[in-house]
Amino acid sequence: AQSVTQLDSQVPVFEEAPVELRCNYSSSVSVYLFWYVQYPNQGLQLLLKYLSGSTLVESINGFEAEFNKSQTSFHLRKPSVHISDTAEYFCAVTYNTDKLIFGTGTRLQVFP
Amino acid sequence: GAVVSQHPSWVICKSGTSVKIECRSLDFQATTMFWYRQFPKQSLMLMATSNEGSKATYEQGVEKDKFLINHASLTLSTLTVTSAHPEDSSFYICSARDRGRSYEQYFGPGTRLTVT
Repeated sequence: AQSVTQLDSQVPVFEEAPVELRCNYSSSVSVYLFWYVQYPNQGLQLLLKYLSGSTLVESINGFEAEFNKSQTSFHLRKPSVHISDTAEYFCAVTYNTDKLIFGTGTRLQVFP
Repeated sequence: GAVVSQHPSWVICKSGTSVKIECRSLDFQATTMFWYRQFPKQSLMLMATSNEGSKATYEQGVEKDKFLINHASLTLSTLTVTSAHPEDSSFYICSARDRGRSYEQYFGPGTRLTVT
């Protein structure tokens, strides 16, 4: 079955430290991958996406993710986090441009 | 661009009443809209997919007579929770797919429903 796995439910980290949020998906020939961020009591905001082309994609606020087909992963990274990055992060995949399948989410908590 | 709004942002209603939630795509045409439900500290659960001008497709386990979805135009979909009960209290989020970009969904800010 098609699925997305986010192994870490919570990731605590100190401000200015690097962080990696892991995401793995079940293999398929064609896949589109997304990372969404959700702040408390708000909807989801698209952080970045992989559709095709370069396997390394970046967001405007310093996050990046790399599509690794052999490992079926799409991990999210940031070299130096800020307090304002505290939020819930969801990895999602669509296999046929129809439904989005979401991971269970990772709570990133940045401490001063 | 690609803004999706929801109204209301939060609502409190009494058990047994019905509540309507609106989802609008403000600057694009959405042939497909999705309705999700999110419980506290959990992921999004897809409830149904609605295509403009046709009946919604509900996910397994979602009662279509309880969660009525209407997608009457390319910019508006509504979710009506009929005869609401406390267990229907949740965060409801809609998303819309741009007709020109079939692989992306744009999410609304969500509606917090509390049934007393």
